[in-house]
Formats: sequence, C-alpha cells, structure tokens
Amino acid sequence: QSVLTQPPSVSAAPGQKVTISCSGSRSNIGNNYVSWYQQLPGTAPKLLIYDNNERPSEIPDRFSGSKSGTSATLGITGLQTGDEADYYCGTWDTSLSAWVFGGGTKLTVL
Amino acid sequence: QVTLRESGPALVKPTQTLTLTCTFSGFSLSTSGMSMSWIRQPPGKALEWLARIDWDDDKYYSTSLKTRLTISKDTSKNQVVLTMTNMDPVDTATYYCARSSRVGANAYFDLWGRGTLVTVSS
Repeated sequence: QSVLTQPPSVSAAPGQKVTISCSGSRSNIGNNYVSWYQQLPGTAPKLLIYDNNERPSEIPDRFSGSKSGTSATLGITGLQTGDEADYYCGTWDTSLSAWVFGGGTKLTVL
Repeated sequence: QVTLRESGPALVKPTQTLTLTCTFSGFSLSTSGMSMSWIRQPPGKALEWLARIDWDDDKYYSTSLKTRLTISKDTSKNQVVLTMTNMDPVDTATYYCARSSRVGANAYFDLWGRGTLVTVSS
C-alpha cells in the first residue's frame, strides 16, 4: 500500500491530453515539493518533473506538473505512442523522514 | 560523463545478506547538497525507496525495512554500498541507485542507474 495514491491506469488517443493525479497528505505533498518519473518498458525511471512544475531541459513542454494542497497532477499533451510508460510521483514525507512514491500509473496511448 | 552503475549478486539464498554497490562517476558525494538513494522494484510492481545517504553522512531508511538495511559510502572510491540482511523471496527485485543534487525534504532523483536484478531463491 503506497503512501501516495495514483490511479492504476489512464488511457487516451494520440494527440489528446491526459492527466495523472497523485494524492497524499500534509506530511508529504502538503509540505514538500513533488517530482514525477517516467519509466518506459524495460528501462530505469527518468526524472520528468521536479519542484512540482519544473522540467529538466531535455523534457519537452508537452509535460507539465502542478500541485494544490495535498494533491499533485502530471499533465501530458499531444500524446504520442512513445509516451506509453509507467509514471510515478514522489516526495519526501516529513513525518516518516523517508521518501515515498505513488503506486504508479500505466499510460496507454490507444 | 555522469554515470551510476549498480553491481552485486544476481542470486542470493533466503536468510543470506545482500550487499550491493553503486559506483558513480562525474560528480563527488562529498559535494555539499549531494545524496544517494537505493530504490527497488519487484517484477511488475511499483518503486519502493529503501535508503539515502547524504554528503555529510546523514542516513535515512525506509521505516518498514530499517532494521535490515545499512547504507554507507566510500567517497574516495565514489561508491555507495547497501546491505540488506535476512533476504526473503519477496525481496526479489531490480535494485536501483539514484542521485539527488539536493538534500533535505525537497530533493528529487535526477540521475538513475540501470538497475540490477536480484533474485532470492534456494
């Protein structure tokens, strides 16, 4: 059982937009920055979003992040088949003094 | 070039102790603000954070596994080592090391190794 809650799966057609939610509590998302990771099949995770809404320079602006209260959201526009992957949110939990991940969301581009 | 590489046994027996090494290049763990974490992923399952060691040798552990884990670093060798005692088949997973260029509550993992698959079986 993950500390952060994500939907197990989302799907959308190529070219469309999708959002992935990540729900937590005051001790984690509520008080700390959220980051998002993309894991393509058979590969290691890769940083997608940090500090709630910042993108590493190599990540296209089709990917965006936001946070409100104890929830965060990853948005992907202009979906491509190459975006099919598992997506994980993560943050520090101040009460646990530990990093926590969401359970992951599998994105299918139909 | 900045790289991380995990190494260790591919197969361990139940009750044995697992020792994994992360060897990195292109940066120093003695740099203020740097930290390294170990994260694992059982086949077909989610990521699970295990432990973190900071540039100043502060250490943090998963609450559910802390009695079994020890993380350490050898700055001169650019290595971080994780030991996990009393291995069980449920510990079968790909183990990743990951870097954070920032410590504290607002860290994030900006670089990951390729991972090493560890199978626990008799």
